[in-house]
Amino acid sequence: IAGITQAPTSQILAAGRRMTLRCTQDMRHNAMYWYRQDLGLGLRLIHYSNTAGTTGKGEVPDGYSVSRANTDDFPLTLASAVPSQTSVYFCASSDEGSSGGHTDTQYFGPGTRLTVL
Amino acid sequence: GQNIDQPTEMTATEGAIVQINCTYQTSGFNGLFWYQQHAGEAPTFLSYNVLDGLEEKGRFSSFLSRSKGYSYLLLKELQMKDSASYLCAVEDSNYQLIWGAGTKLIIKP
Repeated sequence: IAGITQAPTSQILAAGRRMTLRCTQDMRHNAMYWYRQDLGLGLRLIHYSNTAGTTGKGEVPDGYSVSRANTDDFPLTLASAVPSQTSVYFCASSDEGSSGGHTDTQYFGPGTRLTVL
Repeated sequence: GQNIDQPTEMTATEGAIVQINCTYQTSGFNGLFWYQQHAGEAPTFLSYNVLDGLEEKGRFSSFLSRSKGYSYLLLKELQMKDSASYLCAVEDSNYQLIWGAGTKLIIKP
């Protein structure tokens, strides 16, 4: 593994189903992030984690949950998917997060294209 | 509220120079990032400005004026591979990134 990987690459999901998007980094970064990107809008932060064992809510957290059991993995779960969650989801990581008093450069995974029907 | 404004789309000619502007209104300011994103790919880091002035990095330069809430990305000697979206992001008082919608740059031969 080099950098950040995400799985799956794309997924079509029926509304109401549960789905977990996976994200793994091998850079030993402390901070990790989940964004969604929709046409005409900027990247919007869903959840973040400044260090293993802690998580925080971003701008659009409703309908999503995350966990950070270790440094490398940061899965994003949609408990009951709805069509408005159709989007491209990017995971990112940085050496330090907001708890360090500054934000380092964020490095992004390749993204997961999710369609909820 | 927090707002980042960039032009939606720009067109330029191969070999020319283009300036992509970004204006922002955020709750606090701790720095400004520019990222490049090719269609269907992840954003990749281009530059970071925290002090006023120009930062030059090869064919790309980024300028910041904190008093005006303004930045620009300058691309010189444009190449076809520079066709991409350019994202402006401001680090607010909570050290979270607020992202603009991006500027799609089309390069014509």
